[in-house]
Amino acid sequence: DAKTTQPNSMESNEEEPVHLPCNHSTISGTDYIHWYRQLPSQGPEYVIHGLTSNVNNRMASLAIAEDRKSSTLILHRATLRDAAVYYCILREGNQGGKLIFGQGTELSVKP
Amino acid sequence: KAGVTQTPRYLIKTRGQQVTLSCSPISGHRSVSWYQQTPGQGLQFLFEYFSETQRNKGNFPGRFSGRQFSNSRSEMNVSTLELGDSALYLCASSLAAGQGYEQYFGPGTRLTVT
Repeated sequence: DAKTTQPNSMESNEEEPVHLPCNHSTISGTDYIHWYRQLPSQGPEYVIHGLTSNVNNRMASLAIAEDRKSSTLILHRATLRDAAVYYCILREGNQGGKLIFGQGTELSVKP
Repeated sequence: KAGVTQTPRYLIKTRGQQVTLSCSPISGHRSVSWYQQTPGQGLQFLFEYFSETQRNKGNFPGRFSGRQFSNSRSEMNVSTLELGDSALYLCASSLAAGQGYEQYFGPGTRLTVT
């Protein structure tokens, strides 16, 4: 299974941008990069995914390095509701719908 | 559109019993995956179903089984329950199986084995 490396925890101030890094140096050409988050006492929630190009949606932006060995999830203005564990996941082509969750990054947001 | 629903939300069982958990995917979604979450092991993949066929299975003993019905609803069963099976069981649905599809999770079933 493809591996990702994320910091265990990060802190942010409310209304400031947050950049959550993820390293995936063993990524192969067909692996998708997915991000999910899990708020306290809830199931995981899809955030964003991409393959090669940067992606934007209403929740966040995903910046993918040119060599694809790392990516950054960007929350443009953190709110208290964004406090969660964020998981960066590589989805391999031969693994179908399987999500392999690592430890993730626990994001805390200070008012 | 209604989200993924899981029943029951909470369950208490005794060691040695069996349990069946149910998952109703988002309307139109044909793929259902199951995950187990514990404080020690985190989120672990159990199995994935698409069009009533199991496409993927995680590293769990044969006591864990599942199935998917023609309406895409899914059930998972755990037989001969052990204390270590106490966990949050999460179901996720997606339009289809495959790496490009996002998964939408339900709230989970909290199983306690005593």
